[in-house]
Amino acid sequence: SAVISQKPSRDICQRGTSLTIQCQVDSQVTMMFWYRQQPGQSLTLIATANQGSEATYESGFVIDKFPISRPNLTFSTLTVSNMSPEDSSIYLCSVEVHSSEQYFGPGTRLTVT
Amino acid sequence: GENVEQHPSTLSVQEGDSAVIKCTYSDSASNYFPWYKQELGKGPQLIIDIRSNVGEKKDQRIAVTLNKTAKHFSLHITETQPEDSAVYFCAASSGNEKLTFGTGTRLTIIP
Repeated sequence: SAVISQKPSRDICQRGTSLTIQCQVDSQVTMMFWYRQQPGQSLTLIATANQGSEATYESGFVIDKFPISRPNLTFSTLTVSNMSPEDSSIYLCSVEVHSSEQYFGPGTRLTVT
Repeated sequence: GENVEQHPSTLSVQEGDSAVIKCTYSDSASNYFPWYKQELGKGPQLIIDIRSNVGEKKDQRIAVTLNKTAKHFSLHITETQPEDSAVYFCAASSGNEKLTFGTGTRLTIIP
């Protein structure tokens, strides 16, 4: 498995502002992912964070709204830009340990007012 | 793309009884099926998984079964305890590292 931490754990932000979420893992991993979990809903993949290259975004998610950095094999950031109340969600990072087996961080609970 | 359906959406069982949650998937190329438990205020925790080369896997009170022909898989929890109360998610992957999640089941164990 892997130990994953996220910062901040929660935040309340005003619309129009941006928030950067950090994800740190205790070992080097090739694959890191960012998910969104809207209140009471399932998990939706936002993007795959690629080390050394641009992130790969899923349909419905764009780089201008959710820029992602992956400077090394243990760290990634997700920024939620120009926020609106519809962005209120839990944002989760995960890492693949081997062969599709993914472990999740504790999540960042974002409320946009 | 892959589509995963999960039933039931809510499930209440008496403590000590068994609980079963079922999922179906659409992509016959899917070969990895994990189950996650999410407690309130926490991230999903991987509790058990199964790959397409086996039909059943057990870990203490938890088991998962897979029927590749019918494209469905199930989570079985025996001798349920209050700490089993949580939301459970199934998922499927076709080997491209991406997971597609089911809609979740809120399991409540009644003392």
